[in-house]
Amino acid sequence: EAQVTQNPRYLITVTGKKLTVTCSQNMNHEYMSWYRQDPGLGLRQIYYSMNVEVTDKGDVPEGYKVSRKEKRNFPLILESPSPNQTSLYFCASSSPTAGGINGYTFGSGTRLTVV
Amino acid sequence: AQTVTQSQPEMSVQEAETVTLSCTYDTSENNYYLFWYKQPPSRQMILVIRQEAYKQQNATENRFSVNFQKAAKSFSLKISDSQLGDTAMYFCAFMNSGAGSYQLTFGKGTKLSVIP
Repeated sequence: EAQVTQNPRYLITVTGKKLTVTCSQNMNHEYMSWYRQDPGLGLRQIYYSMNVEVTDKGDVPEGYKVSRKEKRNFPLILESPSPNQTSLYFCASSSPTAGGINGYTFGSGTRLTVV
Repeated sequence: AQTVTQSQPEMSVQEAETVTLSCTYDTSENNYYLFWYKQPPSRQMILVIRQEAYKQQNATENRFSVNFQKAAKSFSLKISDSQLGDTAMYFCAFMNSGAGSYQLTFGKGTKLSVIP
């Protein structure tokens, strides 16, 4: 089944304790992206990647890191989480086709709480 | 930078009726895509419909159709014969394909409730 897999689905952590949210896709997509969703703000892009070793900042990159060492994986790293990073996080992937872009496929989301 | 505006934070509709969700966007680009995503209480993001800017014909997917007005930069979603399973957050999204970055910019969403 074609999918984007995020782990964990739920995470509660303490301020300052480094954490990684994993994301993996099995569709051989070039493009991958991380979003955070907050009430009343919609989804905002954190980082995106056009291909292996190519990453760039989105609209809200502060406090986050990413890496793209393999095409299928795009982990999100919070080096020193703070309470304002409490949010719902989504990983998504996409790829151009002969007909254009079909939109992004999203993972199931990670609910992160930083206390 | 592109912006996407959904002016209706919440809407409700009776089961079997028709409802239209509004979306406007701001861009100076000519080549782009527009999308509507549905997020039910399960929080999964589901692609509902997609429109390419160069196509004048409005996209349709079963009970879902769009009214794409390029000059007015408007992209509304019409849901016909509303069903209880349509209850969800709906997000309008813009992708600028001309720049080659394929970044998605979302609106803030419209919460739709279908009433039995």
